[in-house]
Amino acid sequence: DAKTTQPTSMDCAEGRAANLPCNHSTISGNEYVYWYRQIHSQGPQYIIHGLKNNETNEMASLIITEDRKSSTLILPHATLRDTAVYYCRLPLSGNTPLVFGKGTRLSVIA
Amino acid sequence: AAGVIQSPRHLIKEKRETATLKCYPIPRHDTVYWYQQGPGQDPQFLISFYEKMQSDKGSIPDRFSAQQFSDYHSELNMSSLELGDSALYFCASSVFIRGPDTQYFGPGTRLTVL
Repeated sequence: DAKTTQPTSMDCAEGRAANLPCNHSTISGNEYVYWYRQIHSQGPQYIIHGLKNNETNEMASLIITEDRKSSTLILPHATLRDTAVYYCRLPLSGNTPLVFGKGTRLSVIA
Repeated sequence: AAGVIQSPRHLIKEKRETATLKCYPIPRHDTVYWYQQGPGQDPQFLISFYEKMQSDKGSIPDRFSAQQFSDYHSELNMSSLELGDSALYFCASSVFIRGPDTQYFGPGTRLTVL
């Protein structure tokens, strides 16, 4: 995977938007940005992915800068159940094994 | 929607015993991945299969082997179990297409070696 940099941890108040940044300055033109999360002891969960346009689904929004060197995952109304480790990844393809580690531990606080 | 199924969900074994973990991918998914997650650690990739052939190999010990069957389910066979093999084992599946795709993870099998 291309290198990504994420903050180690973040806190967010329940009901507020959680904005999780990811830097990927060495991204190549055909690499997609993927976001996964892992809630404690559960299987990792796919959230969203994008190439260069902003994307939105029922879980989150993904904002990718015009130069594609960084992106932000937005959880619009964070709940306690969104407390998890969030991983930003740039796999070579959707079929490349994921390399976990150094994600952002998001704590949603009541 | 159908999800990835793993069995058993919990398994307790003694040292030097063998264990077999099973993974049933989402229907029509042709690629299976195995990950190991030790206590307090991030998941580590072990091995993957595409169309019943090994496609990638990660940090899988020689004591472990895996295969994918004609119905696309996969089994992870673990022999001479050690205390350090105690971990959560996740299976994920995806469908190979040109372009982006996502991996969908199962709930995991918790293996405890005593």
